[in-house]
Amino acid sequence: AQKITQTQPGMFVQEKEAVTLDCTYDTSDPSYGLFWYKQPSSGEMIFLIYQGSYDQQNATEGRYSLNFQKARKSANLVISASQLGDSAMYFCAMTPFTGTASKLTFGTGTRLQVTL
Amino acid sequence: DAGVTQSPTHLIKTRGQQVTLRCSPKSGHDTVSWYQQALGQGPQFIFQYYEEEERQRGNFPDRFSGHQFPNYSSELNVNALLLGDSALYLCASSLWGRLGWGTEAFFGQGTRLTVV
Repeated sequence: AQKITQTQPGMFVQEKEAVTLDCTYDTSDPSYGLFWYKQPSSGEMIFLIYQGSYDQQNATEGRYSLNFQKARKSANLVISASQLGDSAMYFCAMTPFTGTASKLTFGTGTRLQVTL
Repeated sequence: DAGVTQSPTHLIKTRGQQVTLRCSPKSGHDTVSWYQQALGQGPQFIFQYYEEEERQRGNFPDRFSGHQFPNYSSELNVNALLLGDSALYLCASSLWGRLGWGTEAFFGQGTRLTVV
């Protein structure tokens, strides 16, 4: 079984500042993928960034980067230069590499509020 | 290129009734997964369809059933609705065997079901 833990129910950040959203995970699978999704109030889950457990380098996508520490089982999302439009719920998720399409296990999310 | 589309966007039903939710996957995707997201929680996996068969199932009762059609679209059916079934139902599409291998699942905007 897999488990994702997001310990920050809510976070505030000032516009143009950087923010780190925490995510720890637990799994017995030797290989797995980690994802971050953004969910605005409209409800749609928007993919942000992906990290494979076998990747040596941390993933980056524009203003998003993933701080992957495999030994600590953490996959924190770093958003640089925050914008007002970044205000939303953020979910960390994972899936095992089973060789077939698999399911995503999500955390409980962190609500990010960007202020002026 | 159309993304994942779900219908309807909102629905109000009475306890004991039955409901059908619909999903069209992203063009080129062949696998559809359904998730239930209760208020303030992360999405929970219900089941997954590929080649018109249920391939994986989460911890949901048999009142939850589904179907996938030859064009890859899918339906989620819930019988004997309970108040606790009130939630946002999200459909996600992906490629069979590719989720996590550097590819992500794409989500629709969801159907918000209210049971009264």
